[in-house]
Formats: sequence, C-alpha cells, structure tokens
Amino acid sequence: QKEVEQNSGPLSVPEGAIASLNCTYSDRGSQSFFWYRQYSGKSPELIMFIYSNGDKEDGRFTAQLNKASQYVSLLIRDSQPSDSATYLCAVTGTASKLTFGTGTRLQVTL
Amino acid sequence: GAVVSQHPSRVICKSGTSVKIECRSLDFQATTMFWYRQFPKKSLMLMATSNEGSKATYEQGVEKDKFLINHASLTLSTLTVTSAHPEDSSFYICSVSPSGGGETQYFGPGTRLLVL
Repeated sequence: QKEVEQNSGPLSVPEGAIASLNCTYSDRGSQSFFWYRQYSGKSPELIMFIYSNGDKEDGRFTAQLNKASQYVSLLIRDSQPSDSATYLCAVTGTASKLTFGTGTRLQVTL
Repeated sequence: GAVVSQHPSRVICKSGTSVKIECRSLDFQATTMFWYRQFPKKSLMLMATSNEGSKATYEQGVEKDKFLINHASLTLSTLTVTSAHPEDSSFYICSVSPSGGGETQYFGPGTRLLVL
C-alpha cells in the first residue's frame, strides 16, 4: 500500500465549477497535511496546509481533513484555466518527513 | 513563504562527469534543507536532509558517495552528482523549512539534469 495515494486523473472540470481533489494516507500518526500545486516543468508551490480535523478555507481553496478516515481533500471553487496543473498531496508522518502522493492532474476547460 | 533559489536551472553533461547544484535560502537562515528528486510523471522522492555544519542524512537507497551534500552555511546547500550516468537524469529540487523540522516546506525552482 502506498503511503499517500491520489487518483492520477486527469480530472476535467469546466471553468467556474468546483474541482474536488482527494488524497488518502496510511500512517495514522500523520500530523500535518499539505497541498502543493505543480505546473508542468516547474517545482511545487504550497497552496495550503491543515493540521486539524475539519475545513480550512483560503480564498477559492478549501482543505478538508478527516483523520478518522485518513483522507484529506482540496476543493477549488470557481475553477479557472490557470488552475490547470498537477496537485500534490503531502503528509508529514511520525518521522517528520514529507511524503508526497503522485499527484492529480487537473484540467479546467473553457 | 520562504524564497529559495537554485542554480543552475538546467544542465546537460556527459556520462562520467560530476555536476554541482546549489540551493540558496534567500530570506532566512536555514539550518536544514531537503533535496528531492522527481522523475517524469512520478512523485517527489526525498533523497536527503542537509544539516548545516554536520553530515547529511540520506534516505534508504540513496548512495551517499554518489550524491554528495555540503551545507557549509546557513543559506547554502550543494548537491553534487558524482560520475553521473543517464539514469541520474531527473529533476532535482531543494526545499527549506522555516521551522526547521520538516513541516511546511518551500521549494526552489528545481534543476533539470540531463546526462548524455
């Protein structure tokens, strides 16, 4: 079982719609959860982090964490073509190291 | 967030040569930096944790004699790929964590290495 799992996609959503990206993790002792955006050929850019169960909102982005079910999600409201990228879920486990999922490719269509 | 630079951004070298990649933390002193490698369509894999003034900590399966890390100052860490081979061709990315503990990490722009 992979430590951090994401559907590779592509996830295609029309412009203006809500994009929902999901991630599950295996280490129940994980403490911190991150979403990074990576454009093709570029390095990851931090979008959000979440530590506690529930929702955390920042502009058009909402991160949701459910530790009991070991999943974290990212919602992008009013999706724009510029949101088209690969979204990486990352988790800090008991060893305090970041473990990345393989990413979900999002395509926002006009 | 933190501002991180890497140099060079892209390098092409012949098999058997060594390549040095620099990672600089521009807006704070980083006692710890991280080096990752990313192959096409794959996830980022942590190679090693670079510690200022002491030896780097390498992840399992990463050859420390092949990937030399030097963290000589609080703002600079270098990764040297020694005797590079085509299979070392990859995207090398460093990151810094303002908290120093590997929590929130900010990435440099990456270095794309192509070994011919």
